Amino acid sequence: GAVVSQHPSWVICKSGTSVKIECRSLDFQATTMFWYRQFPKQSLMLMATSNEGSKATYEQGVEKDKFLINHASLTLSTLTVTSAHPEDSSFYICSARGGQGYEKLFFGSGTQLSVL
Amino acid sequence: GQNIDQPTEMTATEGAIVQINCTYQTSGFNGLFWYQQHAGEAPTFLSYNVLDGLEEKGRFSSFLSRSKGYSYLLLKELQMKDSASYLCAALDSNYQLIWGAGTKLIIKP
Repeated sequence: GAVVSQHPSWVICKSGTSVKIECRSLDFQATTMFWYRQFPKQSLMLMATSNEGSKATYEQGVEKDKFLINHASLTLSTLTVTSAHPEDSSFYICSARGGQGYEKLFFGSGTQLSVL
Repeated sequence: GQNIDQPTEMTATEGAIVQINCTYQTSGFNGLFWYQQHAGEAPTFLSYNVLDGLEEKGRFSSFLSRSKGYSYLLLKELQMKDSASYLCAALDSNYQLIWGAGTKLIIKP
């Protein structure tokens, strides 16, 4: 089956630093990638949708200057959490859509971010 | 507004059967997904229903009733490894996924 690679899987950083998370589709071209955030015992919250070669579409309440998304190619999207603060600590998950069917949605393994 | 409801937590016994219900209210509908998520891991796809009826896939089956805005995930012959959260998600008319909060399933020996 299709594989989406996400790394790092776990990162601890100091408050005020920036963290970059990569999401790669390994064996298919992902025209659309999604970035989610998940707090403990809560559901996935869509942060933004990114299409290759265009600006990401952010959900209401998500600061686009804080969560920078770049989808430079059909196989790579990055999320950069700029000037991270403890409240940004969360589980971040990417997913990629390949093909026409929306059921062809594959998830990365997630990144646990802890900001001290 | 758009909403997905599913129980917060369920407990079942190893070897038994459990049914996890999900009701949804969305602006348009293009299908319903079930995902399994183990703690600290990303969700993995279980099923997708867009037509009414039951779809069976091994020990797992998923049912959809579009007129009632209702779906369930049926897990048979429960195993300890089935302990996880089960997420229900509906696809609205804009092809946006609306996620439920998940049902934590606890399997006891």
